[in-house]
Amino acid sequence: QVQLVESGGGVVQSGKSLRLSCAASGFIFSKYGIHWVRQAPGKGLEWVALIWYDGNKKYYADSVEGRFTISRDNSKNTVYLQMNSLRAEDTAVYYCARWGYPTSPPPDFWGQGTLVAVSS
Amino acid sequence: QSILTQPPSVSAAPGQKVTISCSGSSSNIGKNSVSWYQQLPGTAPKLLIYENNKRPSGIPDRFSGSKSGTSATLGITGLQTGDEADYYCGTWESSLSEGGDVLFGGGTKLTVL
Repeated sequence: QVQLVESGGGVVQSGKSLRLSCAASGFIFSKYGIHWVRQAPGKGLEWVALIWYDGNKKYYADSVEGRFTISRDNSKNTVYLQMNSLRAEDTAVYYCARWGYPTSPPPDFWGQGTLVAVSS
Repeated sequence: QSILTQPPSVSAAPGQKVTISCSGSSSNIGKNSVSWYQQLPGTAPKLLIYENNKRPSGIPDRFSGSKSGTSATLGITGLQTGDEADYYCGTWESSLSEGGDVLFGGGTKLTVL
């Protein structure tokens, strides 16, 4: 079955960096784009970034453009989110999620999430 | 403030039907299909509907979706207490970012009285 498992979250000081990982299994990883979506405590969902199946195209929300970098290693079935210059407003649960249906970019399967807490 | 507008809350009795609306604009819902998600407390979102009205395998037909113009609607019939959750609509902004610029509504909390 499809599985996405995030790791790398934790408590970090404002201005510091953190790298999240998303390990995939149960599907042909190299054929799917992967999103990162976050959810601040008690708030709604916010799309963060997308990387295409081959890693050749990457897109970011305005709120993280220039600070976050998405990448993938198809040999390891893993997607990464490098987060630099972290701010208090980046505090959230970060989900990786699969772009499952070619004509419908919103995700189909989601991981369980990893919590990032930025302290000021 | 989300670009896609949902009512903050809806409620209905067990066994009844409820609808949740999602309003967007000509550049998002007006051009693209809509997905719907259920998020039970403390869990990750789960896809209920994609491409406006299609259900993934395993999603019961109590859940339905529709779209008209720049708005979409999720319907849930035969409400159960286990349906109490937050529901989100999702689509994307028509732009040069192919697959990016995914948008989510602000979420609607469903209470089954």
